[in-house]
Amino acid sequence: EVQLVESGGGLVQPGGSLRLSCAASGFTFSSYWMSWVRQAPGKGLEWVASINQDGSEKYYVDSVKGRFTISRDNAKNSLYLQMNSLRAEDTAVYYCATGGATVAQFDYWGQGTLVTVSS
Amino acid sequence: QSVLTQPPSASGTPGQRVTISCSGSSSNIGSKTVNWYQNIPGTAPKLLIYSNNQRPSGVPDRFSGSKSGTSASLAISGLQSEDEADYYCAAWDDSLNGVVFGGGTKLTVL
Repeated sequence: EVQLVESGGGLVQPGGSLRLSCAASGFTFSSYWMSWVRQAPGKGLEWVASINQDGSEKYYVDSVKGRFTISRDNAKNSLYLQMNSLRAEDTAVYYCATGGATVAQFDYWGQGTLVTVSS
Repeated sequence: QSVLTQPPSASGTPGQRVTISCSGSSSNIGSKTVNWYQNIPGTAPKLLIYSNNQRPSGVPDRFSGSKSGTSASLAISGLQSEDEADYYCAAWDDSLNGVVFGGGTKLTVL
């Protein structure tokens, strides 16, 4: 059974940093693109970043470029999102997602971890 | 303002057929495959349709997808109360080099 378990969310002040983790199991982690998708309170889904199988390709939504870094450790079956210079508008539930034949196809999702940016 | 445009709401009565549209451009829907997600508030999104019109195993055949040019549609037939949820289309965008989602459509079963 595929499982994606996010952790690392919490309350952080504007300008602060946070590192999200996603522990994967039940599939060959190193064979799939991995992505982060977020959902602000009461808002729609927003793609944040994606990374290819060996970490050589990374893509980001414009609003997080230069502030967020996606990475992965295939030996640990883990995905990460380093978030720096956090803003109030980054407040959202962050989901780890994967599984499709294309980058935009997310067959599997984690349960999400809430990031709140507030003073 | 989302890159992919969806109506904010849709509704129908049990047993009816409803369709949800998703409009894009040549850099996304016009040249890439479309996926649809169902999101019940408070839960993780679920893949409903992939590659324009394919259903993952476990998704009822009441759900179907189609694409024509720069637009796509999700159709739900035999509407049931448990279909009440938010629905999102998504595709890769070659101009933005990223995944774009529609703004979401809230489906109400009357």
